[in-house]
This record gives sequence, structure tokens and C-alpha cells, in this order.
Amino acid sequence: AQKITQTQPGMFVQEKEAVTLDCTYDTSDPSYGLFWYKQPSSGEMIFLIYQGSYDQQNATEGRYSLNFQKARKSANLVISASQLGDSAMYFCAMRNQGGKLIFGQGTELSVKP
Amino acid sequence: GAVVSQHPSRVICKSGTSVKIECRSLDFQATTMFWYRQFPKQSLMLMATSNEGSKATYEQGVEKDKFLINHASLTLSTLTVTSAHPEDSSFYICSARGRGQSEAFFGQGTRLTVV
Repeated sequence: AQKITQTQPGMFVQEKEAVTLDCTYDTSDPSYGLFWYKQPSSGEMIFLIYQGSYDQQNATEGRYSLNFQKARKSANLVISASQLGDSAMYFCAMRNQGGKLIFGQGTELSVKP
Repeated sequence: GAVVSQHPSRVICKSGTSVKIECRSLDFQATTMFWYRQFPKQSLMLMATSNEGSKATYEQGVEKDKFLINHASLTLSTLTVTSAHPEDSSFYICSARGRGQSEAFFGQGTRLTVV
């Protein structure tokens, strides 16, 4: 069975500091994709970053980087220099070979001024 | 990035009526569309996957007669909640992926309230 697990229901971070949001996954597919999305209170899902299972290097997109540890089946999101606007729900997701996107439970991030 | 437009953003309907939600890909051809349901403070639960021109594939536990999905063109998919009940009140969100795209792009979501 395929599963995505986010063990942190809520996280706090001080403005301008870095924060790591945890994500572990379980799959038997040799090929898969890992995603992080941000969901503000308005509800829209904002794509942040993607990591393919065969990618050798960790993905980076601006202040977002993905710490991909394949052997541990983890894909943690690192947000550097946190901003007040980063406060939102963050979802880790995995796309399997069938093309379906499966989401974790989410982590609510609060950035303190 | 690619744009997916979902309409309406909010809808309130009476119990027993049907509600149609539209999901359009504006600048790409969506070969696959996904429909999700999300309860407050919870994750997105995949309801069904639809490929253009074929019947939708529903996830286990999702009533296909209650949640009708049509993907008649490469830019439009609709979700119709039939005979809506208060327990159908939720946030519904679609996503669309084009051929060769690694990521799926999301619509803005629809907040359905059944009274």
C-alpha cells in the first residue's frame, strides 16, 4: 500500500529563520514523484517543489529545498528565511506510477514575527 | 505555470438539489483530471480520476451515482453532486495534468454548503 505520512500537525517558526517540515512515504513503485504544496486559508493549492525518484540531486526552488533521502523514504521540505506569508498548511504528496497524487495529513506552519 | 480555473468558488444549495462544479484548464490540454474532497483541517482525499473521453475511475467508497464526473473535452471536467445532503458539505478541488507534465495544477476549489 502507498502512504504519505506527515507527523507534525503544527509547527512554529520565528520570522527569518529556517524550518523543516517532515514527510515520509511508502511505496513499492520503482518510479514515483514527490511534491510539496502550500494551502493558505483561501484553499487554493500552490505547487512549491517536485522531486523525482531518480533525481540525483535534491530539488531547490528559491527559498524551498527538498531534503530527499531515498533509503530512508523521506522527503522533508526546508523553508529558509521564513516570512509571515509562509503561514499556511503544507502538504506532502506522492504520485505513483498510475498517476494518482496521494497526500499526507498536512502540517500547519505558523510564522511568528 | 499552467492555469486551472474552478467555478463556482462558493455555493450554497438546498438539501435534495444537485450542484455542478466546473474545472477548466485555460492554457493547456488536460488529459487527466482529478477530483478531491477536503474536510476542515484534514487532508485532500482523492475521489476520482478522469481521462478525456472515458469514464471516470472512482476511489473505493465514493458513490459514482452521487458524484457524477464528466470529462467531455481536453479543457473541461465537471463534478455534479446529485441529491445533495448536509453531509456533502465540504471543500471540493480539482487538479489537471497535461500530457508529459510531471505536476498537476489545481483549481481554486469550491466550498459547498448544503442547508
